[in-house]
Amino acid sequence: EVQLVESGGGLVQPGGSLRLSCAASGFTVSSNYMNWVRQAPGKGLDWVSVIYSGAGTYYADSVKGRFTISRDNSKNTLYLQMNSLRAEDTAVYYCAVSPTPGNFDYWGQGTLVTVSS
Amino acid sequence: DIQMTQSPSSLSASVGDRVTITCRASQSITSYLNWYQQKPGKAPKLLIYAASSLQSGVPSRFSGSGSGTDFTLTISSLQPEDFATYYCQQSYSTPFTFGPGTKVDIK
Repeated sequence: EVQLVESGGGLVQPGGSLRLSCAASGFTVSSNYMNWVRQAPGKGLDWVSVIYSGAGTYYADSVKGRFTISRDNSKNTLYLQMNSLRAEDTAVYYCAVSPTPGNFDYWGQGTLVTVSS
Repeated sequence: DIQMTQSPSSLSASVGDRVTITCRASQSITSYLNWYQQKPGKAPKLLIYAASSLQSGVPSRFSGSGSGTDFTLTISSLQPEDFATYYCQQSYSTPFTFGPGTKVDIK
């Protein structure tokens, strides 16, 4: 059974940093396309980043240069390092996986990131 | 970037109704179009991929159609558990953009 469990969210001041984790089970992270998707309170879905099975990475313009996606194959875990956080980054962050690039077949439960002073 | 629009933004319907939601892309995305259902406080769920393929485990009352720039999600007979928000999403190219959502609530 595919399971994704996010952690690492919390309250952070503007300009601060946070690292999100997504622990995966039931499949191999390195063989799939792993994504981060976020949802601001009361708003729609917003794709953030993807790491391809070949390790290529892509980002939304809104986070490029501030966020870094990575994975630890030995731990079967996906990460999102978020630096220079802004109020507009406040959202629930979901990790999502698919064997097909651009699809989001399975999702975690999400972790809330709040950027506020 | 490819922009996605949906109509209507919300609709009220009764159990048993046939419901249709439309999604439009700002350029051709061939069949690289997915549909998701999201209930309050929950993660989204993939319903339809590649415009018309039903994800495993999804009831057959859900169907998708279209290609190019215009797509449709149809629920043939609305059930109580179908009241939710529906999003379309293009997987043609990064950034993988979503539509703004269509909220389906009870009439």
